[in-house]
Amino acid sequence: SQTIHQWPATLVQPVGSPLSLECTVEGTSNPNLYWYRQAAGRGLQLLFYSVGIGQISSEVPQNLSASRPQDRQFILSSKKLLLSDSGFYLCAWSVVQINEQFFGPGTRLTVL
Amino acid sequence: AQTVTQSQPEMSVQEAETVTLSCTYDTSENNYYLFWYKQPPSRQMILVIRQEAYKQQNATENRFSVNFQKAAKSFSLKISDSQLGDTAMYFCAFINNTPLVFGKGTRLSVIA
Repeated sequence: SQTIHQWPATLVQPVGSPLSLECTVEGTSNPNLYWYRQAAGRGLQLLFYSVGIGQISSEVPQNLSASRPQDRQFILSSKKLLLSDSGFYLCAWSVVQINEQFFGPGTRLTVL
Repeated sequence: AQTVTQSQPEMSVQEAETVTLSCTYDTSENNYYLFWYKQPPSRQMILVIRQEAYKQQNATENRFSVNFQKAAKSFSLKISDSQLGDTAMYFCAFINNTPLVFGKGTRLSVIA
């Protein structure tokens, strides 16, 4: 069966520090991968999605970036965090874009 | 652009009763998928039910069922015999050939 992992589960970082959140999927090949952000009490905002290694589409211009160095690995990064980057970050995967997405457990990021 | 609207920010229901959550969407496409996701306090996003637009029969999954009205672009979720564990945020989502589009969510509280 397929599983999706995210780490860390919780992160507290100072403003201006770098960020690296990792997401990996097991049990499937060539998945579509997604990064979402959810502010407190609000809906999901799609940040990036990838249909293959090295292929990244950005939905919202900001100081975050994403990379896909391996087929089942998706990384969300920032060189300098802002206060507004605080939120709950969710990684998701799907077999093909038309199908449902399955979500990881999420990372709670607090920028102080 | 596709949009998804959930007009009920919050709802409550007595345990064992039935509740219906509303969702409308806007698209010019004919083939698409619709989903309901549940996000409990743990914040894990869990797929509740899916509906293919080409299927006239409403999807059911145990106590969860949908009322899919394609002409009206409506996709409501009915939860029967509500349980305390159903307390969560519920998100309606749409997908065609673009990544998932989510509504802003409905916070459901099941009261003992």
